[in-house]
Amino acid sequence: AQKITQTQPGMFVQEKEAVTLDCTYDTSDPSYGLFWYKQPSSGEMIFLIYQGSYDQQNATEGRYSLNFQKARKSANLVISASQLGDSAMYFCAMRDYLMNYGGSQGNLIFGKGTKLSVKP
Amino acid sequence: DADVTQTPRNRITKTGKRIMLECSQTKGHDRMYWYRQDPGLGLRLIYYSFDVKDINKGEISDGYSVSRQAQAKFSLSLESAIPNQTALYFCATSGETGPQHFGDGTRLSIL
Repeated sequence: AQKITQTQPGMFVQEKEAVTLDCTYDTSDPSYGLFWYKQPSSGEMIFLIYQGSYDQQNATEGRYSLNFQKARKSANLVISASQLGDSAMYFCAMRDYLMNYGGSQGNLIFGKGTKLSVKP
Repeated sequence: DADVTQTPRNRITKTGKRIMLECSQTKGHDRMYWYRQDPGLGLRLIYYSFDVKDINKGEISDGYSVSRQAQAKFSLSLESAIPNQTALYFCATSGETGPQHFGDGTRLSIL
């Protein structure tokens, strides 16, 4: 079965430093996508970055990068030069593209999230 | 204008009332989803629809129903609301691959 694990309930980082948020996943599907979302205290879910299972290079989007280690089934989010506005909940998520678990092929499953606090 | 719009943004109601949450999207996606989020938990899938004629139950569909009125519209109903349905509700859309795009959420409180 599919599974996403985020082992850090909360993290602190000093402003301007880099931080890594951990995510491991489990799937039998050879074709899948990995995603990170940010949820600030206002509640909306903001898409940050995407990594496809066949992508050869790690995804980057501005200050966000995804450290994709396929053999270890990990997809850690790296935020460089943290800002106060980065304080939020961060969710790792996955979509399987080929396998069909009870008809739910292509649906997104989420980890329980990591709360990041950036200190001035 | 937002790509995925949810209405209302906030709602307080009483036990036993019927409630409808509405979602519309301008992204042209066929797939639409409804999730709920409870404190300390990630998002859990309630219902999803891959096109106008396709409706599927998610992980936690009991107590909920949906209607896909058009490609761009997907509504969620609570036929008889109960307090443990108090949560933050999200609508989302996607293509066959790539990310799901979320609305800003509806905070629902049932007294």
